[in-house]
Amino acid sequence: DQQVKQNSPSLSVQEGRISILNCDYTNSMFDYFLWYKKYPAEGPTFLISISSIKDKNEDGRFTVFLNKSAKHLSLHIVPSQPGDSAVYFCATRYSGGGADGLTFGKGTHLIIQP
Amino acid sequence: DAGVIQSPRHEVTEMGQEVTLRCKPISGHDYLFWYRQTMMRGLELLIYFNNNVPIDDSGMPEDRFSAKMPNASFSTLKIQPSEPRDSAVYFCASSETQGWGEQFFGPGTRLTVL
Repeated sequence: DQQVKQNSPSLSVQEGRISILNCDYTNSMFDYFLWYKKYPAEGPTFLISISSIKDKNEDGRFTVFLNKSAKHLSLHIVPSQPGDSAVYFCATRYSGGGADGLTFGKGTHLIIQP
Repeated sequence: DAGVIQSPRHEVTEMGQEVTLRCKPISGHDYLFWYRQTMMRGLELLIYFNNNVPIDDSGMPEDRFSAKMPNASFSTLKIQPSEPRDSAVYFCASSETQGWGEQFFGPGTRLTVL
């Protein structure tokens, strides 16, 4: 049973437009959320994070929004650039129970078209 | 720092053979994580260590899998005997804080078991 779901396996966006990637989670105990970006033949790299006490975090072109009541988070990239083409993973964790590993979604392949 | 180093980058072996994957975390990081990525299950946590001690191995799929961390700069993930369903990309990651911190991933080892 997947605790973190990214329902769009792929997303195509035109360069310069906004990219919106979505993620849903089922466990209300999750209290920290991250987005990772992955290029082919490389490991995932950290992009941006948000804790459950916030509903928005912004870093340059990247903004993450958290809706706790809906158990939903999204990543906005604006404007989208060709270098943003990659697989984006949503990841979550919770501080209780001593579990420090991340639970990942299956990823969304973002394709930025020129 | 060179980042997290994994070896080999690619491994092709026959069913029944022993496979050993290696990881060197970033110096000074107290946490080390092993993840596995497959098409079906995405990225999943196998095991993680804190200060060289295994903390949670609940993600290890079977007794055929074992992991060790003999010192702060080296960890191994061993599969014995290997099976075709073990074919996946195995990532090692490290972090310096208790999970709240960003996890830094290595480039991964692509394992193919024939």
